[in-house]
Amino acid sequence: GAVVSQHPSRVICKSGTSVKIECRSLDFQATTMFWYRQFPKKSLMLMATSNEGSKATYEQGVEKDKFLINHASLTLSTLTVTSAHPEDSSFYICSAVTGDRGYNEQFFGPGTRLTVL
Amino acid sequence: GQNIDQPTEMTATEGAIVQINCTYQTSGFNGLFWYQQHAGEAPTFLSYNVLDGLEEKGRFSSFLSRSKGYSYLLLKELQMKDSASYLCAVTDSNYQLIWGAGTKLIIKP
Repeated sequence: GAVVSQHPSRVICKSGTSVKIECRSLDFQATTMFWYRQFPKKSLMLMATSNEGSKATYEQGVEKDKFLINHASLTLSTLTVTSAHPEDSSFYICSAVTGDRGYNEQFFGPGTRLTVL
Repeated sequence: GQNIDQPTEMTATEGAIVQINCTYQTSGFNGLFWYQQHAGEAPTFLSYNVLDGLEEKGRFSSFLSRSKGYSYLLLKELQMKDSASYLCAVTDSNYQLIWGAGTKLIIKP
């Protein structure tokens, strides 16, 4: 149980275009989802916390107008990178919390590798 | 500020034992996680400690001392597939997960 999927797994786009990444909890309802980015050989950097039905909470330094997050249901959150530029190229990972455990273990999606040309 | 320290890189031999340390300074404490991450993949859960002591799970064990702000992950009978990054993460008083930078473990034959 507690499987999280992400789509797409890889995407290559031209500079200036927008890219949408989907994160789904397949066999549980996720009260909270998290979006991370990770640069090569670096640790995870939390971008935002997403709760179903409410606005996402962004970490300091993350542009909310550039990284649009929509948590439409208890099983789906989307991250849209708007007007992508080469510096947005990164590994984007989502995670979800079930809320039914004594501790808040995060279940991670497989990640999306974004390359902006 | 909140801080988690772990070594950047470690090297060990196949079949041996390795201990990866993690020290933390956070605003409150609600548990410590260890995750394994292979290159190009998402992290996978290894262990969770919220009380002092040792938690053993197969070849992997995790230890916690809350008074010292210290944890370690012990890997026994190392296999080549254990080559990965190991991430220490602490849940603070707001239940936010604070991540360490990760320890890259290299296993040599």
